[in-house]
Amino acid sequence: SQQGEEDPQALSIQEGENATMNCSYKTSINNLQWYRQNSGRGLVHLILIRSNEREKHSGRLRVTLDTSKKSSSLLITASRAADTASYFCAVPSSNTGKLIFGQGTTLQVKP
Amino acid sequence: NAGVTQTPKFQVLKTGQSMTLQCAQDMNHEYMSWYRQDPGMGLRLIHYSVGAGITDQGEVPNGYNVSRSTTEDFPLRLLSAAPSQTSVYFCASSPRGGYGDTIYFGEGSWLTVV
Repeated sequence: SQQGEEDPQALSIQEGENATMNCSYKTSINNLQWYRQNSGRGLVHLILIRSNEREKHSGRLRVTLDTSKKSSSLLITASRAADTASYFCAVPSSNTGKLIFGQGTTLQVKP
Repeated sequence: NAGVTQTPKFQVLKTGQSMTLQCAQDMNHEYMSWYRQDPGMGLRLIHYSVGAGITDQGEVPNGYNVSRSTTEDFPLRLLSAAPSQTSVYFCASSPRGGYGDTIYFGEGSWLTVV
């Protein structure tokens, strides 16, 4: 399976701390995406990083991509209680180009 | 812009019943898809469509039918509901469905089959 796998499965931190989530995948990709899902809601796109990019920023989010290690990380700086959600990485299938999602990291930010 | 709209939000079915989950998007996206989300399984692709009149199977298509008569609508039909189909269902769309496309999700439909 080319499915992205997130690590850790669950993460609990205090407000103001940084949260780091990792994603590993198995085959070559040309981009990787991160999505966020609040409890009881649909997924929302956060950021896309292409294979020729090593790092990308969006507000308090920083995404890195290491194609040699087939891994990506999502860093949320200065976390807030409102960041409590599940975070998913997604990679395109080499066969169909359709996005394949990992199982997600559940982040809890305590006020 | 409403984005992707799914109905119903919640549904309880008896084993063997049939039903249709409705999905509509107003972004003129060519690509639409249905996922199911189960604990510990992530999101799994059920069916997808790359345009009106074209549908294809995803990872877990058995027990589900789809059709795409218009660009806007992509209903998912459960033919004979089974308890294994208890899940949260998400409809999604994207401009083209190819590499690098951002996917826009609906709010989900919680289905319980008893």
